[in-house]
Amino acid sequence: NAGVMQNPRHLVRRRGQEARLRCSPMKGHSHVYWYRQLPEEGLKFMVYLQKENIIDESGMPKERFSAEFPKEGPSILRIQQVVRGDSAAYFCASSPPRWGRMTGELFFGEGSRLTVL
Amino acid sequence: QQQVKQSPQSLIVQKGGISIINCAYENTAFDYFPWYQQFPGKGPALLIAIRPDVSEKKEGRFTISFNKSAKQFSLHIMDSQPGDSATYFCAARQAGTALIFGKGTTLSVSS
Repeated sequence: NAGVMQNPRHLVRRRGQEARLRCSPMKGHSHVYWYRQLPEEGLKFMVYLQKENIIDESGMPKERFSAEFPKEGPSILRIQQVVRGDSAAYFCASSPPRWGRMTGELFFGEGSRLTVL
Repeated sequence: QQQVKQSPQSLIVQKGGISIINCAYENTAFDYFPWYQQFPGKGPALLIAIRPDVSEKKEGRFTISFNKSAKQFSLHIMDSQPGDSATYFCAARQAGTALIFGKGTTLSVSS
């Protein structure tokens, strides 16, 4: 059973360009989460999605950032007009449909590392 | 507002010693408290987790102690090994929401 797949693993963009990060959840998982990691800041929640639905985007910057999880295909985190402060590791995680009392585990991908020049 | 506060930021322990990492939370609606382990260049992976209806959970050398009244929980790593050198994150969540993570603790176990 393949784990959470993220690509690209490394992405370099110049200021003002667009960055698209893709995440394929584990088989059978319908919930996807995006987190951003900066040194000494830990993992910051950005957005929580189910298929075709944004559940919680309270951690997303109001401008330039968007996320989707279409009915078919991977989840995509899109950053428009990137700035140097967007340089970070972006992690995607997935969980199964039933987020009940007995389980709460998130399964993380290995991350996409964005560098903005 | 930081909902989960983790300390220390870094920790150096001798091989065979006990590593202790602490976390405090504010939201009394949190009902799930996991610890994640992350190695350089990798994604975090679940290490151990606890629910607020128990005060302690042990899995091998790893133990979570939970104090509901103080809103604190901690990770203890017994007989620490060099292979335990990693970054550790505490986290918390309430039902139906995403995990909120602490800022992490970098553990170095010297041989």
